[in-house]
Amino acid sequence: KAGVTQTPRYLIKTRGQQVTLSCSPISGHRSVSWYQQTPGQGLQFLFEYFSETQRNKGNFPGRFSGRQFSNSRSEMNVSTLELGDSALYLCASSLGHVSGGAYNEQFFGPGTRLTVL
Amino acid sequence: AQTVTQSQPEMSVQEAETVTLSCTYDTSESDYYLFWYKQPPSRQMILVIRQEAYKQQNATENRFSVNFQKAAKSFSLKISDSQLGDAAMYFCAYRRYNDMRFGAGTRLTVKP
Repeated sequence: KAGVTQTPRYLIKTRGQQVTLSCSPISGHRSVSWYQQTPGQGLQFLFEYFSETQRNKGNFPGRFSGRQFSNSRSEMNVSTLELGDSALYLCASSLGHVSGGAYNEQFFGPGTRLTVL
Repeated sequence: AQTVTQSQPEMSVQEAETVTLSCTYDTSESDYYLFWYKQPPSRQMILVIRQEAYKQQNATENRFSVNFQKAAKSFSLKISDSQLGDAAMYFCAYRRYNDMRFGAGTRLTVKP
């Protein structure tokens, strides 16, 4: 079974531009979560999508948005890029069914490294 | 808010020796999951081991084991017989339903 894929793997943008990152989950997984990883802030949760609906959201400004398609693929968009948005953006997929504390293991993609100049 | 703290930014261990990575967390909940993830240099993050809070027995996966102290909110990872391939960033994580939080990570160096 293919793993989580993210495209592109590397991206260079300039301040003020916008960017769209893509994540394809493992087949059968309906949940996709996005994380921002920086040396200073570590791993921070951005948002999670399940069945095309945003189920949970981290503490990031509205410039960060996402969506999920019917095939569970997800995109993340960052508008009006700032230098501080330079980071490794990770997505993780899981089956997504959560009830009574039940757990679904998250599988991570390789990440998209975004550099903002 | 739930927070996860890894107090050791860097650790090193001699090959074949044992090392313990520390993690503490803060929560008022009783049912949750704890994880250790490994992120090798320029490679994908993978799950090393997980612990269900309702289980008193410490989880074990081959050379990896945890010491889960629920009352103390402590969750340390012990790596036995360390190998060169264990060199990586290790992240402790807490999850309850849709809320997942990571610690800042511990960079483990393995010396030959």
